Amino acid sequence: DSGVTQTPKHLITATGQRVTLRCSPRSGDLSVYWYQQSLDQGLQFLIQYYNGEERAKGNILERFSAQQFPDLHSELNLSSLELGDSALYFCASSVGGGANQPQHFGDGTRLSIL
Amino acid sequence: KNQVEQSPQSLIILEGKNCTLQCNYTVSPFSNLRWYKQDTGRGPVSLTIMTFSENTKSNGRYTATLDADTKQSSLHITASQLSDSASYICVVSHRAGGSYIPTFGRGTSLIVHP
Repeated sequence: DSGVTQTPKHLITATGQRVTLRCSPRSGDLSVYWYQQSLDQGLQFLIQYYNGEERAKGNILERFSAQQFPDLHSELNLSSLELGDSALYFCASSVGGGANQPQHFGDGTRLSIL
Repeated sequence: KNQVEQSPQSLIILEGKNCTLQCNYTVSPFSNLRWYKQDTGRGPVSLTIMTFSENTKSNGRYTATLDADTKQSSLHITASQLSDSASYICVVSHRAGGSYIPTFGRGTSLIVHP
């Protein structure tokens, strides 16, 4: 058990809809990362937050947004969903926000778009 | 373009045997290289993290090497066990302004047979 909690584990919705994925980091971790894993693209980095502030941005679509709250949990919002957004979405956390911090991953939210 | 290539795509070995997985990258400017193990349906688990100045890092039966000149890394697994069956993912981060952006390889799928 990594200590990172992601909810829900599974989500099924339709095209055009909006969903929110939630992540609770390990106790004491200040940094949260979001990743997308799809069959055709593999793992891709979306965005990183450190202590409530955006720290790094990767291949995150404009339809997607994220935030980290004062209690350090984070939410990833996906809107105007398309079939291609079907994927596993992982959250990871680390103590600090630096380059060489070990990251601990949750077990993901599986999003299926019908 | 930042890219990470892993080989082989898949590998089948017998329990107790050793194996070596390869990772070549064109990521620049280099920040660090990580190896992860990902069991089916689970989040990745960190095995090693290496910076530019490190050329070997061990974690139990896992030993990673890094040649920053040739931009190659390898992950050597000694005395394989059935539980080593998983996908092994190489990730190389580069510095972009004040942040660090990871690029993921597609992984090597390892199957260990009894």
